[in-house]
Amino acid sequence: KAGVTQTPRYLIKTRGQQVTLSCSPISGHRSVSWYQQTPGQGLQFLFEYFSETQRNKGNFPGRFSGRQFSNSRSEMNVSTLELGDSALYLCASSLGQGIAPLHFGNGTRLTVT
Amino acid sequence: DQQVKQNSPSLSVQEGRISILNCDYTNSMFDYFLWYKKYPAEGPTFLISISSIKDKNEDGRFTVFLNKSAKHLSLHIVPSQPGDSAVYFCAAVTYKSGAGSYQLTFGKGTKLSVIP
Repeated sequence: KAGVTQTPRYLIKTRGQQVTLSCSPISGHRSVSWYQQTPGQGLQFLFEYFSETQRNKGNFPGRFSGRQFSNSRSEMNVSTLELGDSALYLCASSLGQGIAPLHFGNGTRLTVT
Repeated sequence: DQQVKQNSPSLSVQEGRISILNCDYTNSMFDYFLWYKKYPAEGPTFLISISSIKDKNEDGRFTVFLNKSAKHLSLHIVPSQPGDSAVYFCAAVTYKSGAGSYQLTFGKGTKLSVIP
């Protein structure tokens, strides 16, 4: 079974631009969650999508948004990029029902200059 | 406020010895805990979990202990191997009734170095 795939792996953007990150979950997984990892901050929850609906949301500004498609693939968008948005963005998928361990992709490393 | 704390940013252990990684939490509503391991340039991978109704769970060289009264859990790795060198994240689970889903709250991680 293929794992969670995130594209692109690396991205360099300029302050003020916007960016879209993509995530393909494990086949059969209906839940996709997004996390931001910065040095010294661990993994911070952005949002979770289940069956094309945002089911849960963390404490991030509205510049961070996402969506999920009917095939469970998900995209995350960050508008008006700031230097502080530089981070590793991780996507994780799960069955989405009950307590199930998250399966993470290898992340997209975003650098904002 | 940080609800899941891993107070040791790093830990060095000799190969063959025991590694003990600690995690403290403040929210008594957490009812399930997980440990993840992360190598550089890879995503975290699930290692072991424990329900709040248990105080110990073992899987091969990995054992997780939970002390609910102290709101503390620990991961023991015995014996430690060089391949165990990674960042270890503790995560706690709560049920978000409004969302109808479970949410994981992660600690900041502990970098384990196993010295050959």
